[in-house]
Formats: sequence, C-alpha cells, structure tokens
Amino acid sequence: GAGVSQSPSNKVTEKGKDVELRCDPISGHTALYWYRQSLGQGLEFLIYFQGNSAPDKSGLPSDRFSAERTGGSVSTLTIQRTQQEDSAVYLCASSIVAGENNEQFFGPGTRLTVL
Amino acid sequence: AQSVSQHNHHVILSEAASLELGCNYSYGGTVNLFWYVQYPGQHLQLLLKYFSGDPLVKGIKGFEAEFIKSKFSFNLRKPSVQWSDTAEYFCAVNARVGYQKVTFGTGTKLQVIP
Repeated sequence: GAGVSQSPSNKVTEKGKDVELRCDPISGHTALYWYRQSLGQGLEFLIYFQGNSAPDKSGLPSDRFSAERTGGSVSTLTIQRTQQEDSAVYLCASSIVAGENNEQFFGPGTRLTVL
Repeated sequence: AQSVSQHNHHVILSEAASLELGCNYSYGGTVNLFWYVQYPGQHLQLLLKYFSGDPLVKGIKGFEAEFIKSKFSFNLRKPSVQWSDTAEYFCAVNARVGYQKVTFGTGTKLQVIP
C-alpha cells in the first residue's frame, strides 16, 4: 500500500477484555515498530520486528502485551486482560531496514480506550 | 541508555515570529537525530534528519536544525512561522551502531496565532 495502515482506528473495550490491534506496513519494509503514545507523554517504544522475529521486546510493559508478525508483513499487537492504564494511542511504524539510516514511516494509530 | 529531553512543552507564537525548539539527548556514542511533526489529525511524519556530514540540516517547509555535538543538542529552528505550522514536534535519537531503537522526546506543542 501507499502507507502504513492500522486497524481499528478506534477501539473501546471493557476492563479485563482482550484486544488485538493490527498494522500493515509499507510493502517491502522489513522492519516494523510498535509505540504507545499516552496523553502528555512522548512515544513509548514497545517492540521491534525484523522480518518475523522480534529482536527487541524491551518496551513491552507487562506479560499482558504480546505481538507477532507473519509473512514479514502484517503485525498484530495483543493486549490481554486490558486495564484502564492501557488506554493510549498505539502507533505502528515501518522502515526499509532497521539500522543506521532507519527513517520510520508512521501509521495513523489506534486509539484504545479501556472503560 | 539513550534519552531525549524537550524542554518546551507548549509554545505559542504569532505568525512571522521566529521559532526555536530545544532538544538535548543523552548518549555517549555516535547518533542519528530526527525531528518528526504531527499536524492535527494527521500521521507523524519526518521533518528532517541528521545522520552525518554538515551539522546544519534543512528539512521541509523551511525548517532547519543544527547538531551541536559538544552540547548534545539538535535544536529545531524556523525564521518565520506560519499558522499552518501549528502541530506537535518530536525530537528523536538513536545510536548509530547497527540496530538501536529510536527514543523519542515528550514532544512540544506549537500553536501559531494568526
């Protein structure tokens, strides 16, 4: 596609439910990143994929958070047993490669609200 | 570990005023530096980047930034802002050693008054 796409654009869920957020990177981009943007906060790194593997999961805040990437393309971020503090905008980005010149292209984000 | 500080959280300027947004980073090695911008209702997009070479970098829409290694700074500047520059601006850094995650600052909201 022309850019990074994410779905859904908005998600409202009840505390304790599981949610799945999807990211479609730019075609041909091997690196994919997930970030979280909370009100008044910067972008918090969550996880990075190179192909289908995740060399850096250091930003996942708890074991309720997981992500996978299949076919070197689409990625899904799953949050289990959601809590109110999980409410944020979840951003996905992709780059041609990860490394020295890694300009990242961002998607529009998924706004998650946990009631 | 690397970190980024943006000291101005909210800046209000009149059109035609000059802009300078501060960005300082903490990392002992060689870095890549970025400024991203998020216009209201739009995606984050790259404004400019520094990888190597001339420390004065020019980006889109008349923006520029200067990398001052001795001060660990990468301040963003524009001589004359326009109402359309109203947006949130994020400074970011990553270590230039293979893959290193990009660390973002907390952002500066710029409001330009017509």
